[in-house]
Amino acid sequence: DIQMTQSPSTLSASVGDRVTITCRASQSISNWLAWYQQKPGKAPKVLIYRASSLESGVPSRFSGGGSGTEFTLTISSLQPDDFATYSCQQYNSYPWTFGQGTKVDIK
Amino acid sequence: VHLIQSGAEVKKPGASVTVSCKVTGYTLTEVSLHWVRQAPTKGLEWMGGLDADEGETVYAQKFQDRVTTSEDTSTDTAYMHLSSLRSEDTAVYYCALNWGVPGVFDIWGQGTTVTVSS
Repeated sequence: DIQMTQSPSTLSASVGDRVTITCRASQSISNWLAWYQQKPGKAPKVLIYRASSLESGVPSRFSGGGSGTEFTLTISSLQPDDFATYSCQQYNSYPWTFGQGTKVDIK
Repeated sequence: VHLIQSGAEVKKPGASVTVSCKVTGYTLTEVSLHWVRQAPTKGLEWMGGLDADEGETVYAQKFQDRVTTSEDTSTDTAYMHLSSLRSEDTAVYYCALNWGVPGVFDIWGQGTTVTVSS
């Protein structure tokens, strides 16, 4: 199975900060990577697919990058609605696997 | 398209549980539906679903012996049956669709909490 490892596990930041989350795959997944945002008690919401494509309706302050084994999710200017948990997911091969999540909380 | 899941369940160890997921807005035969779970304070875990390219259901090996999925096309409802429950199966179970991009879950049900406790 492909292991997805995110860092950091928790990130404390302020409104307006630039925030970057990293996701590493245990083997190359090309660009078959998605990013999700999840709030407490809610289902995840997809933000980015194919490593860098922005899902329709997602604000442009979110961006994704990387390929192969290392990927990033960047929020250019953190907004109050962005405090949540972010997870990466590889869909290069079965079983599809997720990272453990990165919680972004208020500093 | 929306996904509507069944309500919370409490089960004893060794029992089985069935979670349902009704598709509205489209028919079940038009979508690629999957099951994902999330244990308390843990990450998301894909369990299995329909490979749209191959037209067959695939499961994570971890669940292969205990999970069965089925469909009722007359009501556009999908079912996930998990047997031999243990405490580690306590989780929120989601159905989710690969709608726009294969492999990406862009539509989710609201989740069903399954608690396994003696």
